[in-house]
Amino acid sequence: EIVLTQSPGTLSLSPGERVTLSCRASQSVSSSYLAWYQQKAGQAPRLLIYDASSRATGIPDRFSGSGSGTDFTLTISRLEPEDFAVYYCQQYGSSPSLTFGGGTKVEIK
Amino acid sequence: EVQLVESGGDLVQPGRSLRLSCAASGFTFDIYGMHWVRQAPGKGLEWVSGISWNGGSIGYADSVKGRFTISRDNAKNSLFLQMNSLNPEDTALYYCAKDRRVRTNYYYSPDVWGKGTTVTVSS
Repeated sequence: EIVLTQSPGTLSLSPGERVTLSCRASQSVSSSYLAWYQQKAGQAPRLLIYDASSRATGIPDRFSGSGSGTDFTLTISRLEPEDFAVYYCQQYGSSPSLTFGGGTKVEIK
Repeated sequence: EVQLVESGGDLVQPGRSLRLSCAASGFTFDIYGMHWVRQAPGKGLEWVSGISWNGGSIGYADSVKGRFTISRDNAKNSLFLQMNSLNPEDTALYYCAKDRRVRTNYYYSPDVWGKGTTVTVSS
């Protein structure tokens, strides 16, 4: 099973700042089959990025994804107030099994 | 509007069984794979099980293998999760989620999620 480790666990930032979240896999993720989700309190997760760097429908272009192999990154170019949430990475390179990372919380400083 | 509505969550005693359902609407259900993902209180997301569009590929997390069974009824646009031998570690909000790609036995990234149904296992 591929284990995903997200860092840091929590980030305290101010609106307008640039943020970079990390997701590291215990082994190479096939075909860069990695996605990123945003989850706000009391809500279901929302797909942001798939295939490591493709934005899902309706996702603003301040969100971008990059990486391959075992190291992946989600970048928010300029934090908006609605971006404070928990972010999860998820790999689907080892179907029929999916795994999620432990999450990174982005909180207001 | 694409919609997934879960039901069947309840408070149950350890060792008992429960069956979750997910009603899908607003999209062509029978060409998409489907998943169950759970979230324990205050914890992260855990994939539980997935089933391909035609039932040809089924997968389970190790934590539920042999206890949970996923199924679907394409004629009724419905997804199910039969949960047996429940234990307190199964306590969570259970989400039904639609896979992103069509007509494949491979699992991708779920792109539509329901609001979830709560399962509590306690004596």
